[in-house]
Amino acid sequence: GQQVMQIPQYQHVQEGEDFTTYCNSSTTLSNIQWYKQRPGGHPVFLIQLVKSGEVKKQKRLTFQFGEAKKNSSLHITATQTTDVGTYFCAGRPSGGSYIPTFGRGTSLIVHP
Amino acid sequence: KAGVTQTPRYLIKTRGQQVTLSCSPISGHRSVSWYQQTPGQGLQFLFEYFSETQRNKGNFPGRFSGRQFSNSRSEMNVSTLELGDSALYLCASSFEKGNSPLHFGNGTRLTVT
Repeated sequence: GQQVMQIPQYQHVQEGEDFTTYCNSSTTLSNIQWYKQRPGGHPVFLIQLVKSGEVKKQKRLTFQFGEAKKNSSLHITATQTTDVGTYFCAGRPSGGSYIPTFGRGTSLIVHP
Repeated sequence: KAGVTQTPRYLIKTRGQQVTLSCSPISGHRSVSWYQQTPGQGLQFLFEYFSETQRNKGNFPGRFSGRQFSNSRSEMNVSTLELGDSALYLCASSFEKGNSPLHFGNGTRLTVT
């Protein structure tokens, strides 16, 4: 079945440093979504990417979808303590089931 | 709009018991999915319901079951609880299938002793 690998599992940064998490799917995706889960909270939808090579920005967050629609990344510029949490990607396969497969997530720890 | 509501927030059960968790989706959302979240396995898909029908099912044993009512509210049941069932159970609703984002509830933290 479809697998979605996400790295790294954990990332410690000093406040102000940049952060990137990567997502790779074993199969071509129809779309990919990103979620953020704060400690003790629940996943919250951030964004969805649909087109090959798509790049979207939300303030300090930049999301990219690969040309082959099998990988994606989330980059945070100048991290802040409010960015702390676990970031998940969720990929929906092309054709077949539309149920998304979640990556294991990247936990971001920001040191002030 | 009110968000996705899950009850109860916390549950402690012993092995062999059964448990029922409840989820009320966002008004107008007809798709309800259930996920199990554990530190070791991440977010694992359990099943998805739409218009009272189970449309998709993940790779969980038959002890895990669910249903959806005509008002889109959903319940999941776990029978013969095992220690390994301890997890955060998340319900997510969406407007439709396909490109709709998932809106998660706060989850039910189940501890099996």
